[in-house]
Amino acid sequence: GAVVSQHPSWVICKSGTSVKIECRSLDFQATTMFWYRQFPKQSLMLMATSNEGSKATYEQGVEKDKFLINHASLTLSTLTVTSAHPEDSSFYICSALKGPFGQGTRLTVV
Amino acid sequence: AQSVSQHNHHVILSEAASLELGCNYSYGGTVNLFWYVQYPGQHLQLLLKYFSGDPLVKGIKGFEAEFIKSKFSFNLRKPSVQWSDTAEYFCAVYASMFSGGYNKLIFGAGTRLAVHP
Repeated sequence: GAVVSQHPSWVICKSGTSVKIECRSLDFQATTMFWYRQFPKQSLMLMATSNEGSKATYEQGVEKDKFLINHASLTLSTLTVTSAHPEDSSFYICSALKGPFGQGTRLTVV
Repeated sequence: AQSVSQHNHHVILSEAASLELGCNYSYGGTVNLFWYVQYPGQHLQLLLKYFSGDPLVKGIKGFEAEFIKSKFSFNLRKPSVQWSDTAEYFCAVYASMFSGGYNKLIFGAGTRLAVHP
């Protein structure tokens, strides 16, 4: 079946640095990817929808300059958390349209 | 605005009890419906999904869900739960946005199920 691979699975970074998370569709082409954020003991909150070859669509309240999304090819979407702060520490998950989820990335900003 | 409601935030059951978790959505168009499970310390796994056809959907691990269009509901059921079913369950709805330009998958708040042996 369709598989989405997300990398890295966990990352620790210092405040002020940037972190890039990759989401790859391994055996299918994904024109659309969803990026979610999950805080402890809470549900998944949709952050943005990335569309291959065009600008991402951000949900209300999500800073597009802080969470940069690039979907340059049909198999790769990336989320870059810029100038990370401790409050950005969370679990980030990508998903293909109607399809599987990546394994998730646990980001800890110290 | 499109929303997904899971009315039971916490459910505690004894083993062998029957389970029903509610899920309602507020969207009148064509929808695809999902139930996901997240075991402690693990990532999301798909339990079952409904796209079209028979509204009673069978999933993995003995779970099933029924799509009732008139009630905008997609409740999850299991006749007899096990201790290993202890997890958090998320209902999700994928809807086509006729106005707005794009589709999205929206999650409910989740239901924490604890099963006592």
